[in-house]
Amino acid sequence: QKEVEQNSGPLSVPEGAIASLNCTYSDRVSQSFFWYRQYSGKSPELIMSIYSNGDKEDGRFTAQLNKASQYVSLLIRDSQPSDSATYLCAVRTGSGAGSYQLTFGKGTKLSVIP
Amino acid sequence: EPEVTQTPSHQVTQMGQEVILRCVPISNHLYFYWYRQILGQKVEFLVSFYNNEISEKSEIFDDQFSVERPDGSNFTLKIRSTKLEDSAMYFCASSRDGNTIYFGEGSWLTVV
Repeated sequence: QKEVEQNSGPLSVPEGAIASLNCTYSDRVSQSFFWYRQYSGKSPELIMSIYSNGDKEDGRFTAQLNKASQYVSLLIRDSQPSDSATYLCAVRTGSGAGSYQLTFGKGTKLSVIP
Repeated sequence: EPEVTQTPSHQVTQMGQEVILRCVPISNHLYFYWYRQILGQKVEFLVSFYNNEISEKSEIFDDQFSVERPDGSNFTLKIRSTKLEDSAMYFCASSRDGNTIYFGEGSWLTVV
């Protein structure tokens, strides 16, 4: 059973602070990792993808991947109240493009306090 | 920006009835998916569809479920003989390369 684990939170940070979200996964052969943001009652919205070990930055977001430790993280700098949402870690599994699927964690609920 | 569109946004149905959820994937995408999310739980994969056939399905996707791409633009999920536990948000998704997946806004299904 391929698992993706996240701390469900809630994680509360003050406005302007750095929010740090973590995720671990069980399938060692996974190659693609994604962070989605989900507002309550809405659909997952892709915010970051990462495929190689190290850091990947996009605006206020930085994704970090450590395949040896099977660990993915997302840093949100200068957190804003509008960042308050549930952040879903997703790992791509499957043996070929037609069979790829995403395995999601339960998500970490982030609350940015003004 | 192109979007995955889904209809209906919300449907209430009697237990035992059949439901069809409809989706229009992003136009140049080749891979199509259905996921579901039961309230308060994680997003779960149901099925992937490529080259006019199912390419992968989960244990959830049993004989009660079927998918179809009836024309060049629509992608449907049919749920036969609905049960209370089928109540969930159903997300259609699509991908151009089978890797980066974009989700529609979802269809809330309530079975009463």
